[in-house]
Amino acid sequence: DQQVKQNSPSLSVQEGRISILNCDYTNSMFDYFLWYKKYPAEGPTFLISISSIKDKNEDGRFTVFLNKSAKHLSLHIVPSQPGDSAVYFCAASDNYGQNFVFGPGTRLSVLP
Amino acid sequence: DTEVTQTPKHLVMGMTNKKSLKCEQHMGHRAMYWYKQKAKKPPELMFVYSYEKLSINESVPSRFSPECPNSSLLNLHLHALQPEDSALYLCASSPTGYNEKLFFGSGTQLSVL
Repeated sequence: DQQVKQNSPSLSVQEGRISILNCDYTNSMFDYFLWYKKYPAEGPTFLISISSIKDKNEDGRFTVFLNKSAKHLSLHIVPSQPGDSAVYFCAASDNYGQNFVFGPGTRLSVLP
Repeated sequence: DTEVTQTPKHLVMGMTNKKSLKCEQHMGHRAMYWYKQKAKKPPELMFVYSYEKLSINESVPSRFSPECPNSSLLNLHLHALQPEDSALYLCASSPTGYNEKLFFGSGTQLSVL
């Protein structure tokens, strides 16, 4: 039973437009969320995080939104660039924060 | 130094071999992790060490044996693996292990023949 879901396996976006990647979770104890970007045969690279006391966090082109009541978060990338093409993982942890559960990932392709 | 270094990058081993994966960080982090990632799947947590003590073992088979010799090093000893254990093994670290981002290494791609 997946506790963290990313229902879109893939997403294609034109360069310069907005990319929106979605993530849903089922465990109401999750209170800290991370987004990672991953290229093949490399380790995941941290992008942005958000804790449950916030509903938005912004870092440059990346913004994460959290809707606790809907158990939903989204990552917005504006403007999208070809170098953003990668697999994006959403991850969540509970109060103790040691066990991060990852979603299945969304492959983003940014087309020039 | 903001890197987590894993060696080797690639490893091919037979089912009767014994090998070890190594991970090192010099960021002063006190929590270190082993994750396993199969192709087109998310990383799955195997072990967590917190302040050099094993704090989480996600029901991993005993053919995988973790070791944390000191706060900078993490090993994963492999023995009698199965072909289905072939995967990318990722090491990560975080400052204290509580609601902080993980810093990942680039992984060891393991193939078991």
